[in-house]
Amino acid sequence: LAKTTQPISMDSYEGQEVNITCSHNNIATNDYITWYQQFPSQGPRFIIQGYKTKVTNEVASLFIPADRKSSTLSLPRVSLSDTAVYYCLVGDSNYQLIWGAGTKLIIKP
Amino acid sequence: DTEVTQTPKHLVMGMTNKKSLKCEQHMGHRAMYWYKQKAKKPPELMFVYSYEKLSINESVPSRFSPECPNSSLLNLHLHALQPEDSALYLCASSQEGSETQYFGPGTRLLVL
Repeated sequence: LAKTTQPISMDSYEGQEVNITCSHNNIATNDYITWYQQFPSQGPRFIIQGYKTKVTNEVASLFIPADRKSSTLSLPRVSLSDTAVYYCLVGDSNYQLIWGAGTKLIIKP
Repeated sequence: DTEVTQTPKHLVMGMTNKKSLKCEQHMGHRAMYWYKQKAKKPPELMFVYSYEKLSINESVPSRFSPECPNSSLLNLHLHALQPEDSALYLCASSQEGSETQYFGPGTRLLVL
């Protein structure tokens, strides 16, 4: 099963773009990469998911290089409300997603 | 309806009590999950139900007993818990075969 590695914490400022990189060296062919956001004492919230290249939605972009051994979550123009823990996951449709330790993102005024 | 609901939000119980956590979704998802999350840690998978049948049990102690009465409901029955079982218990659901899971707000459990 693939294992993910993320930075433990990151700081940024309001209005900046934040990029969080996750490494998953042992990702399998069938694995997708998924990112979740979690606020204290709440359930994780799905942000974005991708398999290769670039995916963009209304809240984030996900960049995946050709070898798929890493991925980068990009949050454009962050605000204070983006302060949360961000989890990178890899997994296939076999239910068992591998959760990283999470990156605590702190946004400062 | 894209929501997973969980009740209660908070629960305090003694080690001899019996209680149940409840989870409900109306998205037509056929896979439902229980996770346990300790502070500053990622969620840990406990159980997976697929089409109302238990498909994965991650070696969870028998003091935790899951139940899936129908495709929309998932229960977790608790009995003789230990203080170290105190955690946030999360329910999630997904379409069968999908990697995207939708989580409920969780139940904060404290075992005294």
